[in-house]
Amino acid sequence: GQSLEQPSEVTAVEGAIVQINCTYQTSGFYGLSWYQQHDGGAPTFLSYNGLDGLEETGRFSSFLSRSDSYGYLLLQELQMKDSASYFCAVKMDNQGGKLIFGQGTELSVKP
Amino acid sequence: NAGVTQTPKFQVLKTGQSMTLQCAQDMNHEYMSWYRQDPGMGLRLIHYSVGAGITDQGEVPNGYNVSRSTTEDFPLRLLSAAPSQTSVYFCASRRGFGTDTQYFGPGTRLTVL
Repeated sequence: GQSLEQPSEVTAVEGAIVQINCTYQTSGFYGLSWYQQHDGGAPTFLSYNGLDGLEETGRFSSFLSRSDSYGYLLLQELQMKDSASYFCAVKMDNQGGKLIFGQGTELSVKP
Repeated sequence: NAGVTQTPKFQVLKTGQSMTLQCAQDMNHEYMSWYRQDPGMGLRLIHYSVGAGITDQGEVPNGYNVSRSTTEDFPLRLLSAAPSQTSVYFCASRRGFGTDTQYFGPGTRLTVL
């Protein structure tokens, strides 16, 4: 079976930096994505890593180490609106049609 | 563009009934997928398609059928609804090249009694 492990909950204060880790064991791997979901609404795409290293998009960065089967999402200058669930997802095939998600990390940002 | 649309938004079924959840996208995306999300859980892939006429099974395909006769539409059929299929169902689509951004619909909240 496929396995993606994330912490279930993380709490941080406004203005701080938080890191959400994701480790994976899958039968195929072509890249790691991150999605944000507010209150059961539609998930929205944040970031993608196809190669090792850091990708930066504004306040959000994502990192991948394929040799360690590990990635993380880094959120800087936290805002209250960042309170949401964050999911890592593995692209299982080269075409990218098959995407498997982790169980998600609920981030609570406190004043 | 309307993006990814799903109908209905809410549905209550009795055990054994069948129904089709509709999904459409107007972005000319090649790839489409169906996920279910149970409370406090991640998204589990049910079925996916990489183009019209091509579908494949995901992690939890049992009890569901799909077809892809056009690029725009990707309906999900529940053959004989069971209480275990109570969930929120999300449809998603993405381009087949140049980007890994997947766009999700607003979801269908299904209850099976």
